[in-house]
Amino acid sequence: GENVEQHPSTLSVQEGDSAVIKCTYSDSASNYFPWYKQELGKGPQLIIDIRSNVGEKKDQRIAVTLNKTAKHFSLHITETQPEDSAVYFCAASRENTGFQKLVFGTGTRLLVSP
Amino acid sequence: DGGITQSPKYLFRKEGQNVTLSCEQNLNHDAMYWYRQDPGQGLRLIYYSQIVNDFQKGDIAEGYSVSREKKESFPLTVTSAQKNPTAFYLCASSIGKLNTEAFFGQGTRLTVV
Repeated sequence: GENVEQHPSTLSVQEGDSAVIKCTYSDSASNYFPWYKQELGKGPQLIIDIRSNVGEKKDQRIAVTLNKTAKHFSLHITETQPEDSAVYFCAASRENTGFQKLVFGTGTRLLVSP
Repeated sequence: DGGITQSPKYLFRKEGQNVTLSCEQNLNHDAMYWYRQDPGQGLRLIYYSQIVNDFQKGDIAEGYSVSREKKESFPLTVTSAQKNPTAFYLCASSIGKLNTEAFFGQGTRLTVV
């Protein structure tokens, strides 16, 4: 089955710096890679996702890159702001197989200091 | 407003008691899910339901039970057989059984003393 590893477990940056979170996956058939943001005491929210037919996707200050050959994908946050502080989860699965098939990483706690 | 509502937000129970966590959605989603979250760990699937009156065990179903009598509701019972029940519990729903996108509720933090 799929296994997803996520690094680092914690990341501290100064406001305005960039932050990068990396994930690796094991199942070469996985083709859907979402990222979730979880604020303190709340449920995770989907912030961006990428499918294996593209190598990069951007949405304002966040971007995700995918390297299918190496089986890793990364979340990039530029010009970080204090409200970016949260736990971020990556995940991987084969698309259209059901949400229950999504395998999550262990999460990265991002702290953005003013 | 459409969404997923979990209640209560905080729940305290004595060891040995069963407790039921509520999850309601008004998104008209067919599929619903329960996850457990522990510090430093990813989300672990407890149970899921792809249609009314049907549900399947996830990766860590032991000590839990569910029901899906209505499309809108998917309550989770944490039984006394669950050896380490203190955790943050998340409910989610998706449009259909094949969708890999879902919406999460705000979670219920269960503390067993």
